[in-house]
Amino acid sequence: DADVTQTPRNRITKTGKRIMLECSQTKGHDRMYWYRQDPGLGLRLIYYSFDVKDINKGEISDGYSVSRQAQAKFSLSLESAIPNQTALYFCATSGRDRDRNTGELFFGEGSRLTVL
Amino acid sequence: AQSVTQLGSHVSVSEGALVLLRCNYSSSVPPYLFWYVQYPNQGLQLLLKYTTGATLVKGINGFEAEFKKSETSFHLTKPSAHMSDAAEYFCASWGSARQLTFGSGTQLTVLP
Repeated sequence: DADVTQTPRNRITKTGKRIMLECSQTKGHDRMYWYRQDPGLGLRLIYYSFDVKDINKGEISDGYSVSRQAQAKFSLSLESAIPNQTALYFCATSGRDRDRNTGELFFGEGSRLTVL
Repeated sequence: AQSVTQLGSHVSVSEGALVLLRCNYSSSVPPYLFWYVQYPNQGLQLLLKYTTGATLVKGINGFEAEFKKSETSFHLTKPSAHMSDAAEYFCASWGSARQLTFGSGTQLTVLP
């Protein structure tokens, strides 16, 4: 089983619908992230959480919200989806800051969202 | 704000040829630097990283990268490309903002 699991893997929806992407991890990491990948733009950070009570906006948080239900679960919501939110979304985890671990992220396999 | 620039969105090499993927970073202090690889329909996985110490770092699958502070570069190389190296490669930096900033990616094609 994957250490970082994302559901759904693929979703097609219509403009204005509410969508939730879920992420769960078995790595025991405190830190979780949501990224968006678009061709030619790399990965951009949407939200990140350093523990259950610590949630932070990333570079492109407008139009998104998150919930950290437990240490192992971090969900991303689009309250009213729009076509330019069509993208590949990745959840990632990391351990606490230590020289050897800093910046080393473990990614899920991605959730491809299409908004018509 | 820190940024990462990858020169060349697409690179093609022949099987057995040298692979060179370029990455430059912009940061007021030397950041931690990473290369991640993404195979088709998969998430990203860590290829190698530079934190402190030796500036030439070796990663998985025969890849290595050299941190050059004077050039603000962290180019990725492999002496001999294999068909299985075809993937998208991302350079990333971790700095004072405690976030990982990614470059735009380089798609590597390996020709038979």
